[in-house]
Amino acid sequence: GAGVSQSPRYKVAKRGQDVALRCDPISGHVSLFWYQQALGQGPEFLTYFQNEAQLDKSGLPSDRFFAERPEGSVSTLKIQRTQQEDSAVYLCASSFRVRSYEQYFGPGTRLTVT
Amino acid sequence: GQQLNQSPQSMFIQEGEDVSMNCTSSSIFNTWLWYKQDPGEGPVLLIALYKAGELTSNGRLTAQFGITRKDSFLNISASIPSDVGIYFCAGVKANSKLTFGKGITLSVRP
Repeated sequence: GAGVSQSPRYKVAKRGQDVALRCDPISGHVSLFWYQQALGQGPEFLTYFQNEAQLDKSGLPSDRFFAERPEGSVSTLKIQRTQQEDSAVYLCASSFRVRSYEQYFGPGTRLTVT
Repeated sequence: GQQLNQSPQSMFIQEGEDVSMNCTSSSIFNTWLWYKQDPGEGPVLLIALYKAGELTSNGRLTAQFGITRKDSFLNISASIPSDVGIYFCAGVKANSKLTFGKGITLSVRP
């Protein structure tokens, strides 16, 4: 497809379960970002990849959150031992160039932890 | 936490009216962007601003990068029903990560 795709679109997890969220960026885009959007809020930065290198993970809320992009294209955000406060929409964005601020977002994965 | 201020939280206008919304910050940003988000979708980039004082248009949308680099505004002219949605401002400093405001929900009455 032409845009950023994310899967699954919806995920319900019981507290304590591990989840993995996938992002397929636009083909050829070098930079990839993960954001967390709580209900009624703007997205908040989690982590940033340039190709396969994770250059900034300052926004990850705890060590239960882990992201990877091993081949510089698809990325996975993993949350271990989910908690109710992890419930949010997780958005992935990509941009064509390094230091390109024009980021294109996917539709997000809505995670609900029960 | 978020550093950008957008208010009011909601705006209600009549179809055909113009609407302005602004975004302020306590710190300087080097780039400002405006996004629109529809329910169940990710934000869509509307306009990007790269220089203080810059005024940029995209169809019925006009945005300006404040000269202090601490604010930006977005104007929508001759609103139509499909303008309904949540409008976010976002700022960028030296790194690439975006800092978003809380968004303004726009409703357009036909």
